[in-house]
Amino acid sequence: DAEITQSPRHKITETGRQVTLACHQTWNHNNMFWYRQDLGHGLRLIHYSYGVQDTNKGEVSDGYSVSRSNTEDLPLTLESAASSQTSVYFCASSEFTGNSPLHFGNGTRLTVT
Amino acid sequence: GDSVTQMEGPVTLSEEAFLTINCTYTATGYPSLFWYVQYPGEGLQLLLKATKADDKGSNKGFEATYRKETTSFHLEKGSVQVSDSAVYFCALIAGNKLTFGGGTRVLVKP
Repeated sequence: DAEITQSPRHKITETGRQVTLACHQTWNHNNMFWYRQDLGHGLRLIHYSYGVQDTNKGEVSDGYSVSRSNTEDLPLTLESAASSQTSVYFCASSEFTGNSPLHFGNGTRLTVT
Repeated sequence: GDSVTQMEGPVTLSEEAFLTINCTYTATGYPSLFWYVQYPGEGLQLLLKATKADDKGSNKGFEATYRKETTSFHLEKGSVQVSDSAVYFCALIAGNKLTFGGGTRVLVKP
């Protein structure tokens, strides 16, 4: 079965370190998304991609970057981790149609100390 | 811009009770509407969807009807189970952009 996999499931890092969260999907979807989930804020879009070599900023993109070198992967990099980036991060993918639902990974819980 | 508003939780109810979670939206054009469910420790899963006015989405005993006149998409289930304890998110897609509500936590007690 097709799936979307995030790794690691849990990560603890120190302030100022660079961190990369992996996302790999086998749906062959063009669209991929990164969200963060925080109490009181629901899900907020960080970055998204509509295809290889395409990346776009979401509503909370500061301090994050993504790259899309193939269809399957959209890694999320925190350039210099900050305590405000402690959160649960979700990757998602969808087919390239307006009505298509998102398929989510199980999330990565990141703690920045 | 587009927005989705849903009732704040937590909603606590007993097994076999009736569940309603209100969701209203503002959007330009004609959005598609979704309910997602998030079980503890997992990502969001699509629960149901409706793509045009008066459509009814249904799945696992849950239902929601796309009401354009009231810009609403309320989620209902007639008899909840303990296994329905989760966080429920209302969402819309308009112009290829997905917007989520803040989520409603539901706790069903035996």
